[in-house]
Amino acid sequence: AQKVTQAQTEISVVEKEDVTLDCVYETRDTTYYLFWYKQPPSGELVFLIRRNSFDEQNEISGRYSWNFQKSTSSFNFTITASQVVDSAVYFCALSSHNTDKLIFGTGTRLQVFP
Amino acid sequence: DVKVTQSSRYLVKRTGEKVFLECVQDMDHENMFWYRQDPGLGLRLIYFSYDVKMKEKGDIPEGYSVSREKKERFSLILESASTNQTSMYLCASSPRDRGARTEAFFGQGTRLTVV
Repeated sequence: AQKVTQAQTEISVVEKEDVTLDCVYETRDTTYYLFWYKQPPSGELVFLIRRNSFDEQNEISGRYSWNFQKSTSSFNFTITASQVVDSAVYFCALSSHNTDKLIFGTGTRLQVFP
Repeated sequence: DVKVTQSSRYLVKRTGEKVFLECVQDMDHENMFWYRQDPGLGLRLIYFSYDVKMKEKGDIPEGYSVSREKKERFSLILESASTNQTSMYLCASSPRDRGARTEAFFGQGTRLTVV
């Protein structure tokens, strides 16, 4: 069975702070795919990143970075120098090579205060 | 611009009614999904379709059925709506591309209230 756990329900930070959103996953598959999505107050989910299980290289995109560690089954997301516009709900998701089903975690609500 | 369109943004229905939520995608994607989103529970998969007339149950299929007669359209049916089905419903689509596994694209959501 596949499962995604986002233990942090809600995080509040002040602008310019760094913040890390945790994601832990479970799967029996050896080939799988991990995703992060952002859901701003408008409601529509916005894709942020995809990572394949055989590629453990960390990725940086502007103020966003992702740390993928197979040894701990984690795919954490860090926002550096957070901004008010980063306020949203962030979802981590998983799908395996054997099925196109996409399973989401419960999400982390990030509030960035000015 | 790729698009997943859900027929209604807001719906109010009465208990016991049969409810249809429609979703259309214009990207020629094989896969389509229906999720419901509730506070604290994230996105839970109701049904998944990987081809026309093909479907697979998700984690919470009880009380729902689906229909996919054409590739671009995926309908979610509440056979007899109940108040515990009041929720935000999200449709998504993705290509069947096992090598690259591109992301899923989402509609704007339908907020359904059952009274």
